[in-house]
Amino acid sequence: SYVVTQPPSVALAPGQTARITCGGNNIANRRVHWYQQRPGQAPVVVIYKDKDRPSGIPERFSGSNSGNTATLTISRVEAGDEADYYCQVWDSGRDHVVFGGGTTLTVL
Amino acid sequence: QVQLQESGPGLVKPSDTLSLTCAVSGDSISSPKWWGWIRQPPGKGLEWIGHIYYSGSTYDNTSLKSRVTMSVDTSKNQISLKLTSVTALDTAVYYCARVVVLPAARIHYMDVWGKGTTVTVSS
Repeated sequence: SYVVTQPPSVALAPGQTARITCGGNNIANRRVHWYQQRPGQAPVVVIYKDKDRPSGIPERFSGSNSGNTATLTISRVEAGDEADYYCQVWDSGRDHVVFGGGTTLTVL
Repeated sequence: QVQLQESGPGLVKPSDTLSLTCAVSGDSISSPKWWGWIRQPPGKGLEWIGHIYYSGSTYDNTSLKSRVTMSVDTSKNQISLKLTSVTALDTAVYYCARVVVLPAARIHYMDVWGKGTTVTVSS
């Protein structure tokens, strides 16, 4: 089965750039989607198909996917960006949705 | 604006069947769309349960498949989830979601989520 791995946590000061990674074998061959989950709320998709941004999501959110790592980049982080972030791919071998374990972003 | 609302009993006894519904507004269940279920145990990450097409076709998490039944009710514009033989490990927030599926591109992702409903399995 396909596995994607995320760092448990990322912490940085307001105004800095957050890079949250999602690692998987040749993940560049898969489309990666990213969800933001604020405390006590449902997840919201912030990036889909590696780099596309839904309407209403700030341009500060961007995505990339190359080699064995996909990355969610949040520029000029704000307190409101504090949340858990999950990457997700489709495992076509098993016809399964696969989520990463999630990364907690803390804005110091 | 598409909205999804989960509902069901908040407490289920061990070995019983968990039954949830998800009412959809702002979109038609009968349109060619997929609708899914995801759960999140307390303090843990997201776990995909499965998703269902308006026609009844499904993609299922094989680790739960033998216990899961998903269905579509076009007359009520809602989907349902049944999970049999529950244990404490099934305690979680259960979310329904609209799922974007592009099979040729191997793309499946959730673009709209409900707020979730908490289910506790306990005697």
